[in-house]
This record gives sequence, C-alpha cells and structure tokens, in this order.
Amino acid sequence: DTAVSQTPKYLVTQMGNDKSIKCEQNLGHDTMYWYKQDSKKFLKIMFSYNNKELIINETVPNRFSPKSPDKAHLNLHINSLELGDSAVYFCASSQGNAYPRQETQYFGPGTRLLVL
Amino acid sequence: LAKTTQPISMDSYEGQEVNITCSHNNIATNDYITWYQQFPSQGPRFIIQGYKTKVTNEVASLFIPADRKSSTLSLPRVSLSDTAVYYCLVGGGSSNTGKLIFGQGTTLQVKP
Repeated sequence: DTAVSQTPKYLVTQMGNDKSIKCEQNLGHDTMYWYKQDSKKFLKIMFSYNNKELIINETVPNRFSPKSPDKAHLNLHINSLELGDSAVYFCASSQGNAYPRQETQYFGPGTRLLVL
Repeated sequence: LAKTTQPISMDSYEGQEVNITCSHNNIATNDYITWYQQFPSQGPRFIIQGYKTKVTNEVASLFIPADRKSSTLSLPRVSLSDTAVYYCLVGGGSSNTGKLIFGQGTTLQVKP
C-alpha cells in the first residue's frame, strides 16, 4: 500500500486555467505538507497542516489555496495558472508529535505540472 | 533556521565508500541533523538523523563532531542504485513546526 499518494502524477494545462492536486496519506499522521521543486531541484515548503489546521504558510501567491478536509487529506488548488508554476509538487506527511526531534517526513511521488 | 552547505556533485565507483560533508555553522543547540535521499522522479526519502557523535543504521552512518558545525554522511560500498541527490537538513528544536529547509543537495553519480 502506498503511504503517501498524489493524483494526478502528470498535469499539463494552459495558462489561466484552474487545477487541483490531491494528496492522501494512510500513515495515521497528524501533519501534512506541500512542497514545490523547481527545475534546479530546490525543494521549498509551501504549506503545512496539523490536524486540519494551517501551521505553515510560506510566501506563496494567494492563487495557491490548500484545503484539508480531514487529517488524511491535503489538497492543493491553483487558480489562474502561470508559466512559472511549472514544477514538481510534492506532498508529505509526518507524525506531528515528535518534538523536539526533527520529524521524519514521508513524501509522495510528486505531481509534475507543466503550464503551457 | 540553520543554513547548510554541501558539495553540488560527487562521483564515485561501485564498491567504494562515499563521504558527503555538510557545513552548518549556525546550527542551534536543539537542532537535529537529518539526511534525505532523492532518486530521479521520486520524492525525498529519509536516510538518517543524529544529534551528536555517530549514528549508524542499515543504510548509512552519520558522523557529527563535537562542535556540530558540520556532519558527514557515509555510504559504505555504494552501488549504481545509490545514484541520487542527497540533502542535508538541520532543524527541529525549539521551533519544531516541521518546516524542513532543503538546500541544493549533493548529486552523487555512481559509476560502474
């Protein structure tokens, strides 16, 4: 069974469209994350939710809106897609209660978004 | 959060031991040091974590000197399948929001 899954795996769309990426984890974790990896392989955190509550909200355009219907799901909706949004988006999860250690995060396989 | 510096790339041959060193001069007292591995077209995967001295698991060893301003990931007898990007991260501690700061990572190329 896949621990952290994302759909779709590939997404090709036109500028200006609205799209969503879904993420689900079956690890029973309390915390979920969205990361963006650009063409230079830099991974940057975008959002984090703990028990459906937003706890990390980096400087991300407000065209990006995360939604967590329950603690096992964290979806990412992107409005008015731009060329610069092309990247690989990774979802991750962690247990959420391992302070003070730095928790192990489990990453999904990524969604490759290409905006034309 | 502490910034890390790693070599951008390294080459090795099958069967060799590979050591990747990471500098983190501004590491905070409560920060842990964690390494992740990322294969092409996959998400990062946790390898090892430590606070001080030496940690060993079935995949790698992590050496941390007393001042904790650097750390070295050691991969024994690498194989072609160890070709990947390796990220060093520091954090956790008192600001444990779970935020991971990934640097550029070290691209390890293992040759036959």
